[in-house]
Amino acid sequence: AQKVTQAQTEISVVEKEDVTLDCVYETRDTTYYLFWYKQPPSGELVFLIRRNSFDEQNEISGRYSWNFQKSTSSFNFTITASQVVDSAVYFCALSEADFGNEKLTFGTGTRLTIIP
Amino acid sequence: DSGVTQTPKHLITATGQRVTLRCSPRSGDLSVYWYQQSLDQGLQFLIQYYNGEERAKGNILERFSAQQFPDLHSELNLSSLELGDSALYFCASSVGSRGGLETQYFGPGTRLLVL
Repeated sequence: AQKVTQAQTEISVVEKEDVTLDCVYETRDTTYYLFWYKQPPSGELVFLIRRNSFDEQNEISGRYSWNFQKSTSSFNFTITASQVVDSAVYFCALSEADFGNEKLTFGTGTRLTIIP
Repeated sequence: DSGVTQTPKHLITATGQRVTLRCSPRSGDLSVYWYQQSLDQGLQFLIQYYNGEERAKGNILERFSAQQFPDLHSELNLSSLELGDSALYFCASSVGSRGGLETQYFGPGTRLLVL
């Protein structure tokens, strides 16, 4: 069965600091997809990134970067020079490529608070 | 704005009642997914419809049902409501049927409070 663990329940950092959100996953499949979503205080879920299991290249998008390591089953998310607008709950999610069973399995989320 | 719309935004009702949540997917998307977010269960997948047909089922209670109409909008029906059904219900959509291989874009959610 697939599982996503976000061990950090809450993190607080001062504005402009860098912060890394951890995500560890479990799956028996060799083909799977990993996602990060952001849930700001307004409540909607905003898609940030999707990565497939065959692409271990790190990705950078502005102040956001993602580190995917299959050897440790981790898909960590780093925010550089954090800003108050980054305050939100961040969810890591996993989906497997099993036909007809391709739901997203979410972690429990990490609440990130950026202190001005 | 993801392009997925959900109505209503908020819903307050009493135990034993029935409610209907509505979702319109992004233009061009054929799949609709329903998720429930509650404090004790987190974000859980309920059900997926693709082009009008049920595609995958998750932890959906028998008291809950869904359907997708020819215009691709979807409705989630919750009946015999209990206090524990209070949650944020999300709809998501994707282009094709392979939800696991595609990005699912989420609507703003419907917050249900059962009193």
